[in-house]
Amino acid sequence: TQLLEQSPQFLSIQEGENLTVYCNSSSVFSSLQWYRQEPGEGPVLLVTVVTGGEVKKLKRLTFQFGDARKDSSLHITAAQPGDTGLYLCAGADSGTYKYIFGTGTRLKVLA
Amino acid sequence: DVKVTQSSRYLVKRTGEKVFLECVQDMDHENMFWYRQDPGLGLRLIYFSYDVKMKEKGDIPEGYSVSREKKERFSLILESASTNQTSMYLCASSPGPSTQYFGPGTRLTVL
Repeated sequence: TQLLEQSPQFLSIQEGENLTVYCNSSSVFSSLQWYRQEPGEGPVLLVTVVTGGEVKKLKRLTFQFGDARKDSSLHITAAQPGDTGLYLCAGADSGTYKYIFGTGTRLKVLA
Repeated sequence: DVKVTQSSRYLVKRTGEKVFLECVQDMDHENMFWYRQDPGLGLRLIYFSYDVKMKEKGDIPEGYSVSREKKERFSLILESASTNQTSMYLCASSPGPSTQYFGPGTRLTVL
């Protein structure tokens, strides 16, 4: 069974701080997605990484896919209250249409 | 922009009732998914469909069925609702193996 473990589970930081969220697995994924979900809403896709070692930047967010395509990280620079939410990673199972979701990191950025 | 809509944001039903949750996407995507999201358990796949009239069981299909008569519409059916089916239900659509787009979710309470 493929699993994706995210750490930390909870993170509360002050505005302006930097943070990194990790998504780890023992399985190889053909691609990995990061989502942000706000309370009472569905997850919103932030980025998809496909190539081992790939780095993508989305304004203050930097996403990295591990060389072996088993893990990923999300780094936020100078966090803002608008970054508050549940961050989810999801791996696409090679050869099927299924996705495996991590349990999420709940981030709270205090003004 | 991709739009995935779900028929209800909030739903309250009684034990034993038959419940229909509808999902519509406007991007001609082949693949559609139904998940449930529970605290501490993350997103769990109930069923998915990769074409009209085609369906595959996910990780937790017991107590649920699905219908996909048209490409844009994927319905989740709870044949006889039970209290342990109280949850947030999320529909997603996908054009391929590396991206999913989610609807806003339906929060179902079974009394």
